[in-house]
Amino acid sequence: SQKIEQNSEALNIQEGKTATLTCNYTNYSPAYLQWYRQDPGRGPVFLLLIRENEKEKRKERLKVTFDTTLKQSLFHITASQPADSATYLCALTYSSASKIIFGSGTRLSIRP
Amino acid sequence: ETGVTQTPRHLVMGMTNKKSLKCEQHLGHNAMYWYKQSAKKPLELMFVYNFKEQTENNSVPSRFSPECPNSSHLFLHLHTLQPEDSALYLCASSQERATSMLRELFFGEGSRLTVL
Repeated sequence: SQKIEQNSEALNIQEGKTATLTCNYTNYSPAYLQWYRQDPGRGPVFLLLIRENEKEKRKERLKVTFDTTLKQSLFHITASQPADSATYLCALTYSSASKIIFGSGTRLSIRP
Repeated sequence: ETGVTQTPRHLVMGMTNKKSLKCEQHLGHNAMYWYKQSAKKPLELMFVYNFKEQTENNSVPSRFSPECPNSSHLFLHLHTLQPEDSALYLCASSQERATSMLRELFFGEGSRLTVL
């Protein structure tokens, strides 16, 4: 079965620095990969989607990369702010199945 | 109202109670989902409905019973639950396209369930 690992349970960085979160998967590559943000007690909110034939996607201070050789996606937040503190979820969809599989998330804390 | 609305936001129930969670989406989507989120575990897909028809049942115990009367409403009926069923139950919707599997999920705020 497919497995998703998000690099660490928690990440703590200084405001203004770039936060980099990792999503690794096993076996074959997904058709596309998504990143969601979840605040405590709230539902996840969609941020970005990247297809398997895309290397990089950007949206404002966010950047996602997708390396099918390494079986890895990186999620970057540049010029991080305390308001970026949240849990970030990686989610994969495979062409052989329609369901979306989520990782357990990385809790990001940005300290002033 | 906009987006995906879930009620109640919090629910405490005993193991012998019967209760229901409700979800309503105002996005015009044609697919709805129930996910379970337990502490430090990935979101677990429970049920998927496309055009009111159940297309996925991820080996969920029968004490959880979904109902989808139309594309905008989804219920999760709860009966004789166990304490380990305590979790955040999230509803989501998406727009399914015949020509593409690309879709993003729009989640509600969740219903926090505690089973005593």
